[in-house]
Amino acid sequence: EDKVVQSPLSLVVHEGDTVTLNCSYEVTNFRSLLWYKQEKKAPTFLFMLTSSGIEKKSGRLSSILDKKELFSILNITATQTGDSAIYLCAVASRNFNKFYFGSGTKLNVKP
Amino acid sequence: GAVVSQHPSWVICKSGTSVKIECRSLDFQATTMFWYRQFPKQSLMLMATSNEGSKATYEQGVEKDKFLINHASLTLSTLTVTSAHPEDSSFYICSARSGGSPSSEQFFGPGTRLTVL
Repeated sequence: EDKVVQSPLSLVVHEGDTVTLNCSYEVTNFRSLLWYKQEKKAPTFLFMLTSSGIEKKSGRLSSILDKKELFSILNITATQTGDSAIYLCAVASRNFNKFYFGSGTKLNVKP
Repeated sequence: GAVVSQHPSWVICKSGTSVKIECRSLDFQATTMFWYRQFPKQSLMLMATSNEGSKATYEQGVEKDKFLINHASLTLSTLTVTSAHPEDSSFYICSARSGGSPSSEQFFGPGTRLTVL
């Protein structure tokens, strides 16, 4: 059965901390792994990872994919209260016509 | 960035009635739209994929006669929940993909909260 598992389910940190969010997957016909940030309603796109070992970076956020071990991590450095959200990991398969989502990691950054 | 809207944002209906949810891409043409449902504290579950002008592709376990999807134009897809029951109460989110490449980014709508009494 295809599945995407995220850990931890929730995380509470203080401003300035660095966090690492995990996503492991077992999906046939893997195409890419995507990270989204969901604050109140609509998820917003963060990264799409297709190749193993190549880090993608955007400001304080970075992510990398390991296709051999079937996982990805999302790092957030120097966290801010505005980073508080649910972070979703999704895997695209079937030529991007099927997406499997993890249950998300709820991040709470306290001042 | 590209904007996707949904209407209504929330709806309450009686059991047995039908509800239509609209998903619009406001500033781009969406060749493919996806419909998801999300239960509290659970992940997004893909219900169906719709391509403009053709029949939707439903995921296993999703009743196509109950969840009618129409993608009549490049900017509009609708999801109709027919004969709604309380167990259909959920958060329904659509996403739209622009561009001809399957790996083009998909943009999510704000979602519709459906409550069936």
